[in-house]
Amino acid sequence: EAGVAQSPRYKIIEKRQSVAFWCNPISGHATLYWYQQILGQGPKLLIQFQNNGVVDDSQLPKDRFSAERLKGVDSTLKIQPAKLEDSAVYLCASSLVTGAGTQGETQYFGPGTRLLVL
Amino acid sequence: QKEVEQDPGPLSVPEGAIVSLNCTYSNSAFQYFMWYRQYSRKGPELLMYTYSSGNKEDGRFTAQVDKSSKYISLFIRDSQPSDSATYLCAMSYYYGQNFVFGPGTRLSVLP
Repeated sequence: EAGVAQSPRYKIIEKRQSVAFWCNPISGHATLYWYQQILGQGPKLLIQFQNNGVVDDSQLPKDRFSAERLKGVDSTLKIQPAKLEDSAVYLCASSLVTGAGTQGETQYFGPGTRLLVL
Repeated sequence: QKEVEQDPGPLSVPEGAIVSLNCTYSNSAFQYFMWYRQYSRKGPELLMYTYSSGNKEDGRFTAQVDKSSKYISLFIRDSQPSDSATYLCAMSYYYGQNFVFGPGTRLSVLP
C-alpha cells in the first residue's frame, strides 16, 4: 500500500512570497489533515478535511493560509504572503475515517515539506 | 501553561533498559490519548492508543493514562537502538478530531 505523498520535500522562499504544498493521501482515505511542525515542537493541526468538507480549521491563520481538497482526494495548502515564523515542516496525514487511533483508523503521516522563509 | 507538556530530553539509555516517557496536560476534557514515534526527517507513526484511564500493552510498549493526575506514560521494555527517535504524546477531546500534540521527547538508545 502506497503511503501519503507530499511535494515538494524542501522549499526556500523569501518573506512575502507565496508557496504551495501538495498532498496525495492513501487511496480510499476519507480524512485528510495538515499540520505545522516548528523545530522542537509537536505538530499543530491546521486543518482537517473529511471528504470535501472542512471538519476543523480553527488554528488555520486564514489571513495568509488557505487549503482545499480537490474532489475529496488530493489537497493543497497555500501560504500567501509568507512570514519568517512560517518556517516549519508541513505534514500531511490521512486516515480511513476519523484518525482517532483505534484499529483501522490510524493517522498515516507523509514525510513532510520543509519550508524555510528568509 | 501549555496544554500538553513533555520533557524534551534528550534522554540517553543503554540498550536493554526500561524507558519511561511522560506527558502532563492541563485540560481534563481530553479523553483520547496517543503515543507517536517520529524518526528524524520522517512523519510521526502511531504506536499506542488509549481511551480514558487505564493501561494498554502491545509487545514491548505499555501505555498508561491517569486522568485524575492528568498524566500519561509510555514504557518501553528491552529498549533497542532502533527505538532512538522522538516520542510525541497526543490527545483529543472528541473522537477523531481536535488532536493536540506534546512537543516530544528525544530518546537515544546506546548500543
